[in-house]
Amino acid sequence: AQSVTQLDSHVSVSEGTPVLLRCNYSSSYSPSLFWYVQHPNKGLQLLLKYTSAATLVKGINGFEAEFKKSETSFHLTKPSAHMSDAAEYFCVVRATNDYKLSFGAGTTVTVRA
Amino acid sequence: DAGVIQSPRHEVTEMGQEVTLRCKPISGHNSLFWYRQTMMRGLELLIYFNNNVPIDDSGMPEDRFSAKMPNASFSTLKIQPSEPRDSAVYFCASSRTRDRPSYEQYFGPGTRLTVT
Repeated sequence: AQSVTQLDSHVSVSEGTPVLLRCNYSSSYSPSLFWYVQHPNKGLQLLLKYTSAATLVKGINGFEAEFKKSETSFHLTKPSAHMSDAAEYFCVVRATNDYKLSFGAGTTVTVRA
Repeated sequence: DAGVIQSPRHEVTEMGQEVTLRCKPISGHNSLFWYRQTMMRGLELLIYFNNNVPIDDSGMPEDRFSAKMPNASFSTLKIQPSEPRDSAVYFCASSRTRDRPSYEQYFGPGTRLTVT
């Protein structure tokens, strides 16, 4: 079984400052990990994914995440927030060869001008 | 590619009415998922199809919910009769089984259902 804990339900940053969204996971098997973003009244869009290749994963819109097995973490970062980054972000885990995704509760990001 | 297409985008109906949600997956994808998103429960998997066959429907809340996939390019989720507690955003997602190990899912824009 796998599960995901997003450590912050809400993160507020100023435009141009770094963003850090924290995610811890548990999985019985080697996991695949994803970050999805959901803008208001929109569907979920894949930001990036980890699939046992490089531990530092780069995604769209300047986001990246680092897989740390020893810490069972997959934190999402961006060096400089933009107003368009205001959205809800979901950390998601999937066990290898399983179809089921386990979603975190989500982190809402607000960006102050 | 147009992505996953869902219709309608918004649906408002009265309690007791039948509601049908529609989904067209990405061409070439052989797996299709229906999810429900609510504030209280977050994202829940309702049903999973692979090659048009329902593989896991354990998330379907009750007999009022049914889903079909008559061909590789179309699926429906039906609620009959609808109840106010069915109000939620329903997402359809698709993926390609052969794209392991990532098996990433692509989500549609969702249908916002309101049952009054």
